[in-house]
Amino acid sequence: GAVVSQHPSRVICKSGTSVKIECRSLDFQATTMFWYRQFPKKSLMLMATSNEGSKATYEQGVEKDKFLINHASLTLSTLTVTSAHPEDSSFYICSATPPSGGTDTQYFGPGTRLTVL
Amino acid sequence: QKEVEQNSGPLSVPEGAIASLNCTYSDRGSQSFFWYRQYSGKSPELIMSIYSNGDKEDGRFTAQLNKASQYVSLLIRDSQPSDSATYLCAVSLSSGSEKLVFGKGMKLTVNP
Repeated sequence: GAVVSQHPSRVICKSGTSVKIECRSLDFQATTMFWYRQFPKKSLMLMATSNEGSKATYEQGVEKDKFLINHASLTLSTLTVTSAHPEDSSFYICSATPPSGGTDTQYFGPGTRLTVL
Repeated sequence: QKEVEQNSGPLSVPEGAIASLNCTYSDRGSQSFFWYRQYSGKSPELIMSIYSNGDKEDGRFTAQLNKASQYVSLLIRDSQPSDSATYLCAVSLSSGSEKLVFGKGMKLTVNP
């Protein structure tokens, strides 16, 4: 159990375009999902906490108008990188916590590698 | 600012040896502790979780937690080349948020 998927796995786009990344919990409902970004040889950086039915909570320094998050259902959260630029090129990873057990265990999706030309 | 510190490494061990990975954390009220493994180009994969002081064993992996010393470790016995990866320590926040704070990771190489 606790499977999280992401789509697409890889995307290449031109500068100025917007890119949408989907994160799905396949075998559980997730009221909370997390979006991370990871640059090469660096650790995970939490971008935002996605809350089902309400606004996302962004970490300090992350532009909410640049990285739009929508958590419209208990199994789907989307991250849209608007007007992407080369500096947005990174590995974007989502995670979700199954509701049972009262633990904070996060299960990660396989990630989306974004390259902006 | 809640922090999680891991030795920068990298760590290199011969096949069959014990690999020891260490982590300290600053939030004394943290209750949940995790070790993730991340292969190059892949996303993190949960290896172990630990919530109580002492040892927790799962196959070749043993997690050790000492809340008084704010220290958590991961031992890998009989290390295999397939264990070569970056290991991330993650700690929950005492504030009750579901967020985790991650260390920077330790790269482990197991040499055949």
